[in-house]
Amino acid sequence: QKEVEQNSGPLSVPEGAIASLNCTYSDRGSQSFFWYRQYSGKSPELIMFIYSNGDKEDGRFTAQLNKASQYVSLLIRDSQPSDSATYLCAGYFGNEKLTFGTGTRLTIIP
Amino acid sequence: NAGVMQNPRHLVRRRGQEARLRCSPMKGHSHVYWYRQLPEEGLKFMVYLQKENIIDESGMPKERFSAEFPKEGPSILRIQQVVRGDSAAYFCASSPRDRVEGYEQYFGPGTRLTVT
Repeated sequence: QKEVEQNSGPLSVPEGAIASLNCTYSDRGSQSFFWYRQYSGKSPELIMFIYSNGDKEDGRFTAQLNKASQYVSLLIRDSQPSDSATYLCAGYFGNEKLTFGTGTRLTIIP
Repeated sequence: NAGVMQNPRHLVRRRGQEARLRCSPMKGHSHVYWYRQLPEEGLKFMVYLQKENIIDESGMPKERFSAEFPKEGPSILRIQQVVRGDSAAYFCASSPRDRVEGYEQYFGPGTRLTVT
């Protein structure tokens, strides 16, 4: 079983709407989770991290962590065309390395 | 505060040659990670290093690949006798990895290796 699973998409959202990206993980002991944005041909850019259950907000982005359900999500409010990218979920799973999901491709439709 | 630096950004090698990829972590970061990303695929962990130590190399191919992070200078990922299947983007990330500053990893711009 993969440690981090994401819907590969593509996910299409109208401009101005809320984009919801989801990630599930297999290890209940995981403590730290990260969302990265990667534009085509570019490197991953850290946009959010969350260590505690609940919500964490930063501007238009909200990360949500539910450890009981082993579920991490990223909400993007007021979606802009510049948000079109692949979003990668990642976490530490009892070892020293960050394990990434395969990413969800998001397209914002003007 | 300068970000993670990698060079070269693009590297072309013929089959059988050696490739050396360099990574300088962010200032104050002592933990370096290398990842490989094949076209249209996800990021795969290769190796985790601290100064003068390899902490986890479970993602490194057993042959031809090696990594180091010397006391002075950048971290180096070395690929000997490259083959076409080594063509990929290689990313380096660094982290402070402590309770005060957190465990986030910040990525460099990557080196795109093409083997002809």
